Parts: sequence; C-alpha cells; structure tokens
Amino acid sequence: QKEVEQDPGPLSVPEGAIVSLNCTYSNSAFQYFMWYRQYSRKGPELLMYTYSSGNKEDGRFTAQVDKSSKYISLFIRDSQPSDSATYLCAMSTGGGNKLTFGTGTQLKVEL
Amino acid sequence: DAGVTQSPTHLIKTRGQQVTLRCSPKSGHDTVSWYQQALGQGPQFIFQYYEEEERQRGNFPDRFSGHQFPNYSSELNVNALLLGDSALYLCASSRQGSSTNEKLFFGSGTQLSVL
Repeated sequence: QKEVEQDPGPLSVPEGAIVSLNCTYSNSAFQYFMWYRQYSRKGPELLMYTYSSGNKEDGRFTAQVDKSSKYISLFIRDSQPSDSATYLCAMSTGGGNKLTFGTGTQLKVEL
Repeated sequence: DAGVTQSPTHLIKTRGQQVTLRCSPKSGHDTVSWYQQALGQGPQFIFQYYEEEERQRGNFPDRFSGHQFPNYSSELNVNALLLGDSALYLCASSRQGSSTNEKLFFGSGTQLSVL
C-alpha cells in the first residue's frame, strides 16, 4: 500500500463547476500538507500549504486537512479552462524532510 | 527574482552512459532536493543537499549521486543508465531553518530519455 493515495482521474468538469480533489494517507507522522499544480511538461507549482488540521482559503482555492481521518482535500470554485492541469498532493513530517507525493489527478475544465 | 533553473531541458542518452543534470536554486534558498517523476506518477524523492552534504536519501541505488557547490547550486549524476531511468528529473529548493522550510519550489525539470 502506498503512503499517499490519489485518484489519477481523469476528471472532466464544465467551466464554472466546483471541483473536489482528494488524497488519503497512512503515515500519521505527516504534519505538513501541500497541493501542487503541474502543467504538461512543466515542474510542479505550489498552490496551497497547510500545517496540521483545518481549512485554508486562497482566492478560488480551499484546502482542507482532516488528520483524524487521514484525508485531505482541495476545492476549486468557479473552475476555469486554465485550471486544466494535474494536481498533486504532497506531505511531509516536517523538519525539512522529504515530500511524499500522490500520483496526481488530471483535471480538464471544458468550455 | 529568478526561480529554480535547471539544465538541460531535454537529454537523450543510451544505456550504460552517464549523465549530469544541473540546478540553480531560487534566490535566498540554501537547500536543494532532487526528485524523479516517471510518466503518470508523482515525483519520488532521490536526495537532499544542504551545506554541501547529502542530508537525506530516498530509495535509489548508488548509481545516483549528487553534489552541492558553495553557491548552493547542485548537480545530479546518474551512472550506468538503464531504460527505467527515463523520467522527468526535478530540482526543488527551500530555505533551511525557516518557518516554511517544507515549502519547496520546483524547476521545470530535465526530461531524460534513455534508449
């Protein structure tokens, strides 16, 4: 079993829809949770960064962490075609340690 | 403010050859990590360099080695290339000791193809 599980998709939604992306994990030592966006043939771009449990909002993006369920989510409101990309969840135990990534979910927002 | 820069962007090698990939971290960052991303997969941690020393290592064989220079730039070397080494190699930088040292900033990567 992988430490971090993420549905690879693809996920296709109409423009303006609310998108929900999720990851589950097994390592209870994870303290830092991140979401990266990756366009084709580019490096990952940090979208959201959260420490421990709770919600964090930044514009159209909301990240949620539920450590009791070992479940994290990313919500995208009013999705745009420019949001079409692969979304990677990533986690760390802290102390500058390595990131453990999910496989990524491919999202397509259609006009 | 320049972000993380990597070179070359693409590289084609044959089995058994050796390759060197290069990375310059984001301004103000002192820690460099390398990740391997196979097609359709998330990045996998190779190793991390800080103060010119390898600090952490993932589950990669000794054919993968690295170096960090006094100016914080870094190289990744892979010897005796295998077909399975074909992947996107990503460099990420961060600042050690900061309150957000888990925030990694990635370069665009080097696409390595082994034939």
